[in-house]
Amino acid sequence: QSALTQPASVSGSPGQSITISCTGTSSDVGGYNYVSWYQQHPGKAPKLMIYDVSNRPSGVSNRFSGSKSGNTASLTISGLQAEDEADYYCSSYTSSNTYVFGIGTKVTVL
Amino acid sequence: QLQLQESGPGLVKPSETLSLTCAVSGGSIRSSNYCWGWIRQPPGKGLEWIGGIYYSGSTYYNPSLESRVTMSVDTSKNQFSLKLSSVTAADTAVYYCTRRPRSYFEYWGQGTLVTVSS
Repeated sequence: QSALTQPASVSGSPGQSITISCTGTSSDVGGYNYVSWYQQHPGKAPKLMIYDVSNRPSGVSNRFSGSKSGNTASLTISGLQAEDEADYYCSSYTSSNTYVFGIGTKVTVL
Repeated sequence: QLQLQESGPGLVKPSETLSLTCAVSGGSIRSSNYCWGWIRQPPGKGLEWIGGIYYSGSTYYNPSLESRVTMSVDTSKNQFSLKLSSVTAADTAVYYCTRRPRSYFEYWGQGTLVTVSS
């Protein structure tokens, strides 16, 4: 199973909105509404930010939103804040009953 | 609040077996609603799903690791374990234990670094 494709880096100024893409195939992202997103600060464990494409767990800011079109899922962070600077990973269930992650995107707040 | 805590040797010799345990507190491992699993992250790299196990014993492994992976559950101790055999330097990583309700990894342990070196 190949890793999902994400941009290596995305940057934005405080207050701006940014979007991170996550591209797979019809056997993973495109085939199921089982895409999730994780935020990871340096030296810390990943934290669930979005599940099932667009659902936010309790306690996650509504500045984070998710969507999907075809084989590409997206995570949008609106009102960018300094604390949002981190690595972000997408994940998808696959037709092989396994899970695959994206390569990760480093978000920089300028 | 559920907590997961990994434990095990931080250094393993090449060709030997890596063994890790994840202790679950704040909740019972005896639930058919959750899959308990492992994810790893080589230093400076991305996340890799290793596999998962239900308390019933049903297992699901990454095909790329399946021949070397064994997972088990100990309901009496409320913990689950990972064994990875014939390790090489490529298996050096931070290993996280997780709880998965359905299609997402809801809870993560803090992670434990395992280095494969002689």
